[in-house]
Amino acid sequence: QVQLQESGPGLVKPSGTLSLTCAVSGGSISSSNWWSWVRQPPGKGLEWIGEIYHSGSTNYNPSLKSRVTISVDKSKNQFSLKLSSVTAADTAVYYCARDRKKTVAAPRYFDLWGRGTLVTVSS
Amino acid sequence: DIQMTQSPSSLSASVGDRVTITCRASQSISSYLNWYQQKPGKAPKLLIYAASSLQSGVPSRFSGSGSGTDFTLTISSLQPEDFATYYCQQSYSTLRAFGQGTKVEIK
Repeated sequence: QVQLQESGPGLVKPSGTLSLTCAVSGGSISSSNWWSWVRQPPGKGLEWIGEIYHSGSTNYNPSLKSRVTISVDKSKNQFSLKLSSVTAADTAVYYCARDRKKTVAAPRYFDLWGRGTLVTVSS
Repeated sequence: DIQMTQSPSSLSASVGDRVTITCRASQSISSYLNWYQQKPGKAPKLLIYAASSLQSGVPSRFSGSGSGTDFTLTISSLQPEDFATYYCQQSYSTLRAFGQGTKVEIK
């Protein structure tokens, strides 16, 4: 079955750029799904960061939009997150997730999640 | 932006209890509401989508209802494995928003 796996550095320096990749296995990233990044600061709730379609279309959380870039690499069946100018407030577990729907007009939902990766921003 | 507000923030319950969690949207979101369960150190797990549709493999003791701005997640008979944090999430707008979570603890 389809699985998602996040990877990337677990430690990023303040003012640096956080870079993560989500590998999609068991299925194609070019299927009719959007692919999202969601984060969760330690002990806190979930925050949606943004999403991408295999065509390259993206949508971002306005609160992070100026610092976020999500890209897709169809040849490697993966998508990536870059978050620039990070501070301690960006310390969180970062999840990638599949955002799908049953029919064209149906509501969407995150039905598949990676295990998450903790990124700490510290010098 | 659509804001999602859950209540209560936490609750204590016993095995076998009926538990209800409420989620309110700041504007109408039709039935574009999903529920997730998250256990410590684990990724969220989809329970209910489109307000009332049970995700495949999820026990039938979980149910969802509501439309517009008010939604509920009900666990008909709480089991030991149900102690977790529950989140609602709207998919009506492009900016996906989650509720703040409801922690269900053992009484």
